[in-house]
Formats: sequence, structure tokens, C-alpha cells
Amino acid sequence: GIQVEQSPPDLILQEGANSTLRCNFSDSVNNLQWFHQNPWGQLINLFYIPSGTKQNGRLSATTVATERYSLLYISSSQTTDSGVYFCAVDSGSARQLTFGSGTQLTVLP
Amino acid sequence: ETGVTQSPTHLIKTRGQQVTLRCSSQSGHNTVSWYQQALGQGPQFIFQYYREEENGRGNFPPRFSGLQFPNYSSELNVNALELDDSALYLCASSNNRNSYEQYFGPGTRLTVT
Repeated sequence: GIQVEQSPPDLILQEGANSTLRCNFSDSVNNLQWFHQNPWGQLINLFYIPSGTKQNGRLSATTVATERYSLLYISSSQTTDSGVYFCAVDSGSARQLTFGSGTQLTVLP
Repeated sequence: ETGVTQSPTHLIKTRGQQVTLRCSSQSGHNTVSWYQQALGQGPQFIFQYYREEENGRGNFPPRFSGLQFPNYSSELNVNALELDDSALYLCASSNNRNSYEQYFGPGTRLTVT
């Protein structure tokens, strides 16, 4: 099956700093999503981005499908950005998402 | 627009027992997928239901089973519970007509003792 690798596994920032999270995948994909998991376990949709670039406020994402990677940019980090960020892809007809192991982001005040 | 809801929020079961978890899909969505998330890991796909039939299954044993109802809500049943079944169970819904973006519910935290 498809492999998804996220880096870095852990990231600690001061409030106001910028960061880039990376997601590499091993095969072509139909769907790529970025999620933020809050401390209560809820997965919040950030981007649905199988290709191209999207922006939503302080967050933006780019997927280069031909090179099999996606990047999530967080600018001017806030403490509320803390949590685990997951990249997930699907590549088959069943439309099942395969998740990476996540990036644990901690933003310090 | 109503989001994905799950019940119960959490529960505790004993090894060997059976459990049923429930999920109501987001309005307008016809597909439900279930995922298991062990502590410190990413969610793992269990199975997906579309039009009341199983439409793909991950690497989970047959004691994990499911149903989808005509209103697109769904159940996940787990028989003969094992300690390793302790996890957060997440339900996601999608509209496989126009987009395959999946939206997740808040999850059910299952503890098996």
C-alpha cells in the first residue's frame, strides 16, 4: 500500500514564528488532506489539496503531485495552533485515507 | 448544516465483551468510513460503507463489522473485545458524488480492561 511520511515528528516554536511541515507519499494520489487534531481528538479539516496551492488565513498548503510531496505552512504561530498535524492520502478506488504519523507542534507563549 | 456526530463519547468494556459505536453522517453525505487511532499513532482505516454496502476494508479481523442505514448513518460493531482494541474510533463522512474530502466526527474513546 501507499506510504506516507511526515516531518519533522516534533516541532517547538515561539509564538509568532513561522513553520513548514512536510508530507511525502510513495504513489500517485486522488486525494490529499491536511488535518489538525485538537487535544480532545477531533480532526479538523485544514485543506483538501490533491494538487496546487491553497491559502486560508495564516495557513497555506502546496502539493506537488508529480514529485509526491505536500507542504503545510503556518505563519505567525499562535498557542492555539498547538496539536498534532496529520497528512492523509488516498490512492485507490475505495477512497480510504492513509495517514502519516503526524507532526506534534507546540507553540510557546 | 449538521456535522458528523458520534456516540457514545467514551465507554469502558471488559475483554471478551461486544460493543456498538454509532455515527451520523454530515447532511448530504452518502459515504461513511471508520478509523481506529491508537495512542500516539495516526488513524488506521477499518472499512467504508457506501449505499449500505461495504466498499473497502483495511487490515482488521472479521470481528470488526459494520452497517450503514438508509439515512446513511452507520454502526461499528466489535466482538470479543481485546485489550489492544482500546483506542479512539473515528467516523468520517464524504459525498462521493462531487468530492472525496472526508469530514470527521469527534470520536468515541473505547477502553478495554
